[in-house]
Amino acid sequence: QSALTQPASVSGSPGQSITISCTGTSSDVGGYNYVSWYQQHPGKAPKLMIYDVSNRPSGVSNRFSGSKSGNTASLTISGLQAEDEADYYCSSYTSSSLWVFGGGTKLTVL
Amino acid sequence: QVQLQESGPGLVKPSETLSLTCTVSGGSVSSGSYYWSWIRQPPGKGLEWIGYIYYSGSTNYNPSLKSRVTISVDTSKNQFSLKLSSVTAADTAVYYCARGPHYYDSSGGWDYWGQGTLVTVSS
Repeated sequence: QSALTQPASVSGSPGQSITISCTGTSSDVGGYNYVSWYQQHPGKAPKLMIYDVSNRPSGVSNRFSGSKSGNTASLTISGLQAEDEADYYCSSYTSSSLWVFGGGTKLTVL
Repeated sequence: QVQLQESGPGLVKPSETLSLTCTVSGGSVSSGSYYWSWIRQPPGKGLEWIGYIYYSGSTNYNPSLKSRVTISVDTSKNQFSLKLSSVTAADTAVYYCARGPHYYDSSGGWDYWGQGTLVTVSS
């Protein structure tokens, strides 16, 4: 199962909005609404930020939002803050009843 | 608040078997609502799903590791475990245990994670 495709890096200034894409196929991202997003700070465990494409767990800022169009899912962070600087990973359920991650995107807040 | 904690050797010799245990507190592996998963991350690299188990013992593994992986559950101890055989340097990684996804429809992602444990494969 191939990994989902994410940009290696994105950047933005405080207060701006950024979007991270996660591209798969009709056998994973495009076929199921089970895309989730994780934030990982250095040396820490990943943290669930978005599940099932667009749902936010309790306690996650509403500055984080998710969406999907076709085979591409997206994570948007609005009102960028310094604390948002981290690595972000997407994940999707697949037609083989397996799970696959994206390669990760490093977000830099300028 | 659900908490997960990985434990096991931090150093394993090549060709031997890596064994880790995840102890769950604040929740029950027997709740029936969730799968319980293992995920790993090689140093400086991305995340890789290893597999998951349901409290009944049913499992699902990443095909790339399936021939070497065994995940088991001990409901009496509220723990689940990972064994990875015939390890090589490529298996050096931080290993995380996590709760999820939901059993009924595979939704929800992984909502609680252990802190992770680094396992180094070296002689």
